Amino acid sequence: ETGVTQTPRHLVMGMTNKKSLKCEQHLGHNAMYWYKQSAKKPLELMFVYNFKEQTENNSVPSRFSPECPNSSHLFLHLHTLQPEDSALYLCASSQERGRYEQYFGPGTRLTVT
Amino acid sequence: AQSVTQLDSQVPVFEEAPVELRCNYSSSVSVYLFWYVQYPNQGLQLLLKYLSGSTLVKGINGFEAEFNKSQTSFHLRKPSVHISDTAEYFCAVREGGSQGNLIFGKGTKLSVKP
Repeated sequence: ETGVTQTPRHLVMGMTNKKSLKCEQHLGHNAMYWYKQSAKKPLELMFVYNFKEQTENNSVPSRFSPECPNSSHLFLHLHTLQPEDSALYLCASSQERGRYEQYFGPGTRLTVT
Repeated sequence: AQSVTQLDSQVPVFEEAPVELRCNYSSSVSVYLFWYVQYPNQGLQLLLKYLSGSTLVKGINGFEAEFNKSQTSFHLRKPSVHISDTAEYFCAVREGGSQGNLIFGKGTKLSVKP
């Protein structure tokens, strides 16, 4: 595998379910990001990790819980979501936070029923 | 606060015609500028970036962009588009010299027709 991979690519879950999204980067980067992409809205940054430490939480509801066990892996744990949480969730990585460009994974299309 | 405006939400164009996708940002400090492309059912792919130096930046797939500091713009251009360029294009900005976040525009959907 090369670049940034995300699993699953599609997920349908009920409002009472618990699920996790996984992201893995094979680029040797030290910063990882979660974004939410909804129709007709700009990409929304959710969380940032730099050298495994969370450096940003953009007022994301607690029903989204990130985890970064090492610089190569990033998880987004989901529980008791709302229908408005349905979106494409994108993971990205960069060499470090700062001027370096970000590389994106293909995303997980989440549908909350 | 930093913001990015992509003036056109949709741009239809015929194959082999030139295209310009517009991007303006609001910042009074130095910035780093990026254009990303998103093909259907895929993530974002970096097209090109401006960090410093020449204001004309060349990217992949024949795209280029020009940084205009006085007009705070970073418009994307291609002299002759192909059907395969049909995608959504996102402009993004980060303030220079900081670890600030990327701020994205809402995107422009480019539709290339035969």
